[in-house]
Order: sequence, then structure tokens, then C-alpha cells
Amino acid sequence: DAKTTQPPSMDCAEGRAANLPCNHSTISGNEYVYWYRQIHSQGPQYIIHGLKNNETNEMASLIITEDRKSSTLILPHATLRDTAVYYCIVRVGNYGGSQGNLIFGKGTKLSVKP
Amino acid sequence: GAGVSQSPRYKVAKRGQDVALRCDPISGHVSLFWYQQALGQGPEFLTYFQNEAQLDKSGLPSDRFFAERPEGSVSTLKIQRTQQEDSAVYLCASSLRQGALNTEAFFGQGTRLTVV
Repeated sequence: DAKTTQPPSMDCAEGRAANLPCNHSTISGNEYVYWYRQIHSQGPQYIIHGLKNNETNEMASLIITEDRKSSTLILPHATLRDTAVYYCIVRVGNYGGSQGNLIFGKGTKLSVKP
Repeated sequence: GAGVSQSPRYKVAKRGQDVALRCDPISGHVSLFWYQQALGQGPEFLTYFQNEAQLDKSGLPSDRFFAERPEGSVSTLKIQRTQQEDSAVYLCASSLRQGALNTEAFFGQGTRLTVV
């Protein structure tokens, strides 16, 4: 089972910031938080990841709480092309053979509206 | 191209038919994953390769599913005697390194399998 909890859907106005929350209360100390998104009829696309510090790249920012039990993905200026399902994933640590396997939940369907 | 390539993009199979789905990972990528995505659901892990070694096949739903990566590059997912419940999008992903937690995975566009 996925180790994260996300709202099933969210709306955002075009040009506004989209803030997508994720709870991961059972995260282990060596597990990273990853975000992927999946636009309709495409494969998932990597967005960003972090361990405990906040991270920013050209696509988004990731804010992780100090206790690491939750995080927020921020799309600073959402566009219509950001409409997608966003997955928050706690990266499985090195165990057995599937080092780095991604366990997806159902994600949050973000709808950006004009 | 530079991305993960999957073929065919769409496959319609009659129930009971065998199918083979191909994945061309990004050149030099060590890790390769197969996922199954049913309609309206998130991708679910099937199996993992590190080079040519299949290190985890715990997600394969039955012994009708078989995957291989004989030379550590191209991988094939084979489904024997397809059933309607096998209808899904099959996604392949590759990543550069193994065992490194901060490695992103690149996904292909998937193969949509419909069993009729």
C-alpha cells in the first residue's frame, strides 16, 4: 500500500499558485519524498524530490515540515498544461532487490481552470 | 529519441492470446521497472531489473506474466493466455543508477492493452 495520503482532487485558477498537500506520517529517516505527475494518456513525469530541506527547481517547490510527516508541492503559477494527476511518493529504501521502487497511490487530480 | 520508448502503443488481444510488450530504456540506464495501471488507478509495480538481473518480480499478478531483459537493455513483458482483467496500460520506467535513493525514474508513454 502507498505510504502517503492525498486529497483526491483540487481546483486551481490559471496563474495562481497550486498547493498540493501530502501526508506521510510513517516516513522513515532515510526515505525521500518524491512528486510525479501524469498528464492524460502519458507516463508519469518526475517533478521534484527532497529529504528534509525545502527544494525548488524550474517546475515546482517542495516544502517538507520539520517532523517530515507532511509536505506540500507548490506550482507557483499554474497553467492549463499543469492539469494532471499528481502523485506524492515516499521512496522505498534499499531493501531486497527493488532499490528505489516507486509505490504510487491514487494521487490528486489537479484541474487548472481559466 | 532520448526517452523511454514502448511499443506497441496500443494492443488489442483476444482472450487467450499471448502478447509481448517491448520497452527500450534510456541508453545506459541500469534500472528498469514495469508497472500496470488500471483505468482510474495509480501505477502498480510489477517487476524490477538491475541490468539483466530480475531482482524483484513480486508484483507480477500470476504466472501468466513473464518479463525478461536478456542483455541488460531492451526488456519484454509477456502475458500468456490473456484475460479481460489484464486490460490496462503497461508502463516501463528506467533510471540511471541502482541503489541510489535520489535517482529519478523516466517513464515511457505506456502500452494500452485491451483484451476482448
